[in-house]
Amino acid sequence: DTEVTQTPKHLVMGMTNKKSLKCEQHMGHRAMYWYKQKAKKPPELMFVYSYEKLSINESVPSRFSPECPNSSLLNLHLHALQPEDSALYLCASSQARGGREAFFGQGTRLTVV
Amino acid sequence: QQQVKQSPQSLIVQKGGISIINCAYENTAFDYFPWYQQFPGKGPALLIAIRPDVSEKKEGRFTISFNKSAKQFSLHIMDSQPGDSATYFCAASPNAGNNRKLIWGLGTSLAVNP
Repeated sequence: DTEVTQTPKHLVMGMTNKKSLKCEQHMGHRAMYWYKQKAKKPPELMFVYSYEKLSINESVPSRFSPECPNSSLLNLHLHALQPEDSALYLCASSQARGGREAFFGQGTRLTVV
Repeated sequence: QQQVKQSPQSLIVQKGGISIINCAYENTAFDYFPWYQQFPGKGPALLIAIRPDVSEKKEGRFTISFNKSAKQFSLHIMDSQPGDSATYFCAASPNAGNNRKLIWGLGTSLAVNP
């Protein structure tokens, strides 16, 4: 199994809503990542978890809150988002920290209204 | 400042032709150079990667050429097919430190005409 599964595929939320994005991998990878991707741009790293501990936060606003319940799961909790947060949110995993040979999920298309 | 410069921004190739995308970098600490392919509405998929101890790596129709002295690397897609139409990103990663973060190029949108 070489898949990273993300749910939901699409999400529309209001600026006062609270929602969560979910990511799952069963490749035994010990590093997991959240990226944000705007149209026609490369992915931007948001968070890195290594061995279930947050190792990197790329100065992401606190309205985004990551969580790693176990080595296979990664969540991104969203609260009080702004319309400019609308983007494709990608989860990835890799054996080694840093993103080398990372496998990406298909992403959650988030629209904030 | 863009640490990995990718060109061209967009590329149109006829079916059966060769697609060539170029990337250049400055940081000599980079030692891992992957290429990702991304279709609309999908996440990036690792296509092929190279380390600086080799000058070329080939996987099927996809070849990376690496020029360490010039600090450049390129992706060649032989016999390009309409199914290759996608956005291609080059990236680079440093060889040391706790944060061996991928640094991405800005991407190349490839269209292969039938």
